[in-house]
Amino acid sequence: QVQLQESGPGLVKPSQTLSLTCTVSGDSISSNNYYWSWIRQPAGKGLEWIGRIHNSGTTNYNPSLQSRVTLSLDTSKNQFSLKLNSVTAADTAVYYCATNPPNGNWFDSWGQGTLVTVSS
Amino acid sequence: DIVMTQSPDSLAVSLGERATINCKSSQSLLYSSNNKNYLAWYQQKPGQPPKLLIYWASTRESGVPDRFSGSGSGTDFTLTISSLQAEDVAVYYCQQYYTTPFTFGPGTKVDI
Repeated sequence: QVQLQESGPGLVKPSQTLSLTCTVSGDSISSNNYYWSWIRQPAGKGLEWIGRIHNSGTTNYNPSLQSRVTLSLDTSKNQFSLKLNSVTAADTAVYYCATNPPNGNWFDSWGQGTLVTVSS
Repeated sequence: DIVMTQSPDSLAVSLGERATINCKSSQSLLYSSNNKNYLAWYQQKPGQPPKLLIYWASTRESGVPDRFSGSGSGTDFTLTISSLQAEDVAVYYCQQYYTTPFTFGPGTKVDI
């Protein structure tokens, strides 16, 4: 299985853009049939799938966040990234990157997660 | 969106006893062309990411103890821990991957 590690600022001001990167090791991000996802979890609450990007560049976003989310790939660094703009306190959460195996859309590899707090 | 619900919200089980968690989807997760249910189960311990336990509703992930089993079809699913161990204290989530946006149940907390 691949290993995933999130990185990025832990504090973002309201109305600004949250930017996170997930570094992948153990496999190439360009491997066929891999989708690379972001999932978030507010403290003490459940899991929300944000969206995913395929190595072809195809993206799927959660409609609840679609107007504010952009996912991208950097194959040279074996990384993929999340940008969420116009953040509010409701976007405070632990953000996970995750991926699924080629034969299904369950998540078998997860990063450890990174806490992002939206506060002035 | 497919809405996932779970019951109970929490349960306390004695060591060695059975724990049963239910998950219900707002529409069928059974894909007729391959007769597979697009449902997964995860275990999450405090401070850790979720860990995949089961996919296709009943297929155990490699390395997951056989005391964990999944069953059900269509809209109603169950995760059973046949003999609860201390290390099974966690929150358990179901997830549908039938269609995007992928959605999770609200979680069931299992305690001793």
